[in-house]
Amino acid sequence: LAKTTQPISMDSYEGQEVNITCSHNNIATNDYITWYQQFPSQGPRFIIQGYKTKVTNEVASLFIPADRKSSTLSLPRVSLSDTAVYYCLVGDMGSGGYNKLIFGAGTRLAVHP
Amino acid sequence: GAGVSQSPSNKVTEKGKDVELRCDPISGHTALYWYRQSLGQGLEFLIYFQGNSAPDKSGLPSDRFSAERTGGSVSTLTIQRTQQEDSAVYLCASSSLSGKETQYFGPGTRLLVL
Repeated sequence: LAKTTQPISMDSYEGQEVNITCSHNNIATNDYITWYQQFPSQGPRFIIQGYKTKVTNEVASLFIPADRKSSTLSLPRVSLSDTAVYYCLVGDMGSGGYNKLIFGAGTRLAVHP
Repeated sequence: GAGVSQSPSNKVTEKGKDVELRCDPISGHTALYWYRQSLGQGLEFLIYFQGNSAPDKSGLPSDRFSAERTGGSVSTLTIQRTQQEDSAVYLCASSSLSGKETQYFGPGTRLLVL
């Protein structure tokens, strides 16, 4: 799986938009980009996944440039409950295999009142 | 069930004892994964099951670690002769079909080896 690089921590305030960028310079053609969220004392929770351009769901948006060497998770109008660790993962979702997810250290987001 | 469940939620044991951790995946999910998360660290893959078979055991850190799955459902992770470095949160995840789909994680078992 492609190695990812993301900021160790970020701070924000309630109501602001938060953008977390992840670098994955050696992403392969078949690799998808997936983001997970983890709260303290809980297992990771799937947020969003994309291959290229923009993907949006009820929780977040994912922006992927044409070269796919980076991606940006956008959280609109964060609240205190969005305080968590956010993981960016890159891996092959399309082959006849399975997903041995490889998590990095993640980005620890702290939302302040 | 509605989600992945794991038991016990917490386990404290003495060095050298054996422990058994249990995972109940989402009903119908054929793929099951075990991960380990040490304090302040990211998740480390341990083993993958497809049905009752484990085609990838490459993440098991030593031969003291083993896992099995019966009936294509419940899985147990066994750690023999526990060591202090085994202290971590052990997370189980399941996904449907081939395992390429989204993985749903359980709450984890917090293991402390004294």
